[in-house]
Amino acid sequence: NAGVTQTPKFQVLKTGQSMTLQCAQDMNHEYMSWYRQDPGMGLRLIHYSVGAGITDQGEVPNGYNVSRSTTEDFPLRLLSAAPSQTSVYFCASSRQGPGANVLTFGAGSRLTVL
Amino acid sequence: GQQVMQIPQYQHVQEGEDFTTYCNSSTTLSNIQWYKQRPGGHPVFLIQLVKSGEVKKQKRLTFQFGEAKKNSSLHITATQTTDVGTYFCAGGAGGGNKLTFGTGTQLKVEL
Repeated sequence: NAGVTQTPKFQVLKTGQSMTLQCAQDMNHEYMSWYRQDPGMGLRLIHYSVGAGITDQGEVPNGYNVSRSTTEDFPLRLLSAAPSQTSVYFCASSRQGPGANVLTFGAGSRLTVL
Repeated sequence: GQQVMQIPQYQHVQEGEDFTTYCNSSTTLSNIQWYKQRPGGHPVFLIQLVKSGEVKKQKRLTFQFGEAKKNSSLHITATQTTDVGTYFCAGGAGGGNKLTFGTGTQLKVEL
């Protein structure tokens, strides 16, 4: 049982490049989300999805796109990377329903934008 | 929007000392969760509290949810080196799955 799998673990980009962070879960969780973690800022929600075909913005969505074509996958796209997007990115998933929103996190993807 | 603050940001203790981190929300919460992140790792779920005034214990860890459901605390008795890491609270509001994370408290334990 793999849980939440994120790829790549590390990535270095140049300003203006685009890339996709992959996230897949095998727990049949309806809810999936992306957070970024910066020193002293905690975990901030970028985008989330409550099911296939449904996505919504979190606290810091600018510069990022997401899609949810299947229950299992929730990729995060950076269209034109900026140094301010240097961060550690975590994908997390959970079941839906009252009291069920306990998140399972992936191992994280460390992104550096030069 | 909802904001969740945690204090302190950092705490250094000697092994065997107690440790407490506090979490305060700008809005009333439906539930609060606590996560632990080891250095270089990812957040791992510890516990969830849903009732006003609720207290839960896990061995040396005691979690409380305030009467007004706007604040929470995590207390560790007699810290050990295995307690090292960053502790996050995360608040849920309404009936949805969204969680707003606190800023975290980084705990270092010295021998």
